[in-house]
Amino acid sequence: NAGVMQNPRHLVRRRGQEARLRCSPMKGHSHVYWYRQLPEEGLKFMVYLQKENIIDESGMPKERFSAEFPKEGPSILRIQQVVRGDSAAYFCASSPSGASNQPQHFGDGTRLSIL
Amino acid sequence: AQSVAQPEDQVNVAEGNPLTVKCTYSVSGNPYLFWYVQYPNRGLQFLLKYITGDNLVKGSYGFEAEFNKSQTSFHLKKPSALVSDSALYFCAVRDAGLDTDKLIFGTGTRLQVFP
Repeated sequence: NAGVMQNPRHLVRRRGQEARLRCSPMKGHSHVYWYRQLPEEGLKFMVYLQKENIIDESGMPKERFSAEFPKEGPSILRIQQVVRGDSAAYFCASSPSGASNQPQHFGDGTRLSIL
Repeated sequence: AQSVAQPEDQVNVAEGNPLTVKCTYSVSGNPYLFWYVQYPNRGLQFLLKYITGDNLVKGSYGFEAEFNKSQTSFHLKKPSALVSDSALYFCAVRDAGLDTDKLIFGTGTRLQVFP
């Protein structure tokens, strides 16, 4: 499968724990985007990264959330000290380098549930 | 600020009839417009895009969309609906005038095609 790979597909955490969501972009894609989808709502942009750089983090909450896309390995969205309101589906998308008119390709998401 | 409006939460149509899912947008620069479809517990699948050129764009699965600059609209259409088209549809815009590739999504329209 050469698509965007996200894992885990489902993640359950208790309040106060940490959640780590992983995303491997499509082969040849160096731009990664994270979006959050609350039940019955559209996707909200969180952060846009290129390899080793955060390009736009205007949608990231100021506290507890961080993202990285290292030179080697997947992109990671990290949520510290999770709260019930963090329960959502988190989607990763990728696109080719320097092609802003190209569509973003989405993974199947990680569904985060906070107990 | 950029925004996308999908005025209908749900659209119901009989199989074989034409369908339209509405979308209007607001951006400061030129728009790049996209339609995606989401099936239950899956990520978003790209259907079609408008970047420049012909106002009528054709995409996957027989879908098409018409860009109307004066009405700032990008409605999704299909001449003959199938039951398998039943899903959640999202319109998205990227502002070509901004130095970011983030997508702004509408809240989605649920399409229900009845046999």
